[in-house]
Amino acid sequence: DTGVSQDPRHKITKRGQNVTFRCDPISEHNRLYWYRQTLGQGPEFLTYFQNEAQLEKSRLLSDRFSAERPKGSFSTLEIQRTEQGDSAMYLCASRGVGGNTIYFGEGSWLTVV
Amino acid sequence: AQRVTQPEKLLSVFKGAPVELKCNYSYSGSPELFWYVQYSRQRLQLLLRHISRESIKGFTADLNKGETSFHLKKPFAQEEDSAMYYCALRSGGYQKVTFGTGTKLQVIP
Repeated sequence: DTGVSQDPRHKITKRGQNVTFRCDPISEHNRLYWYRQTLGQGPEFLTYFQNEAQLEKSRLLSDRFSAERPKGSFSTLEIQRTEQGDSAMYLCASRGVGGNTIYFGEGSWLTVV
Repeated sequence: AQRVTQPEKLLSVFKGAPVELKCNYSYSGSPELFWYVQYSRQRLQLLLRHISRESIKGFTADLNKGETSFHLKKPFAQEEDSAMYYCALRSGGYQKVTFGTGTKLQVIP
């Protein structure tokens, strides 16, 4: 499968713990996005990378959230000191140079207990 | 601020009946509008973009700037159309895409 892959697919963590999600975009896609989706809602934009540069960031991304894309390929999204309100599906997506279509991964489910 | 509204959480139609999934948006500039679809156990995928003015799987959507709407239509629903549909908007110059809350289309055989 050469689509966007995310890991882990499911994560259960205790409140206060840190979690990290990884996203591998489609090869050679220079644009990468993170979204969050809760039950009954559409995806909410979190952040956008073009190559390794983080160019857009939502106000939803509190200080506890940090995203990186150090080499312009895979990306990580870390949530520190998790809260129950962080429970959601975290979606990654990518888009190629000159491409019009954003391709989504299957998402990483986070449950904070 | 940009906003996308999908007033219906669930739309049930019989096979062969026409389908219209409503989408209204608020944005002061010239937006780019999309419809995304998520079939059961599959990832979210692009269905169509208003710029392309194309028909995908029999679906069409026309951007009406006067009514700030981008309704998705299909003349004859098929069972395989059952899915979650999201309307989305991207403002010029930015990469952020704003999604609506989605409408679940259920096609009854």
